[in-house]
Amino acid sequence: GDSVTQMEGPVTLSEEAFLTINCTYTATGYPSLFWYVQYPGEGLQLLLKATKADDKGSNKGFEATYRKETTSFHLEKGSVQVSDSAVYFCALRNTGNQFYFGTGTSLTVIP
Amino acid sequence: EAQVTQNPRYLITVTGKKLTVTCSQNMNHEYMSWYRQDPGLGLRQIYYSMNVEVTDKGDVPEGYKVSRKEKRNFPLILESPSPNQTSLYFCASRAHSSYEQYFGPGTRLTVT
Repeated sequence: GDSVTQMEGPVTLSEEAFLTINCTYTATGYPSLFWYVQYPGEGLQLLLKATKADDKGSNKGFEATYRKETTSFHLEKGSVQVSDSAVYFCALRNTGNQFYFGTGTSLTVIP
Repeated sequence: EAQVTQNPRYLITVTGKKLTVTCSQNMNHEYMSWYRQDPGLGLRQIYYSMNVEVTDKGDVPEGYKVSRKEKRNFPLILESPSPNQTSLYFCASRAHSSYEQYFGPGTRLTVT
């Protein structure tokens, strides 16, 4: 079945460090891919998306590129801030409109 | 303000006592869904609905029921809760034409 695998956390970085959170997926057909962010005590918010191969999603300094050849959608940010501390979820929506989420990666940024 | 609301936010109950978690959205979205979030498992889809009177099973539907009699509401029903249904539950909605899902604040359910 369809699934999403993302790197285990937690991740702790110093402010202004480079961030990469790896995400790979398994799906039939051509899924849409997403990164969601969850701040403490809140629901998930869409961070960025990509709907077809080679699309690059970007928002708030975060980027991810839909790589069909490697079935990956890694999240990157060049310089993290304390306010980026949250849990990040990679997700896909398949052609049947079902959503699959990764297990989440907790990020803590220290000043 | 556009939002998805869930009630209650916190619930402690006992095995076998029927309960309903309500979900309501004010954005006229066609699509609504329920997820549960468990440590190490991420979010898993329980049920979803593409429109009024149309519901489908997600990844983990066992032990749950839903209904969609009105566009704005999508209640989650646990007829006979068991301890393995202790979890954090999220409702979400989106428009058919949009990729963005809006999530509610979550309902933390404990079944003893």
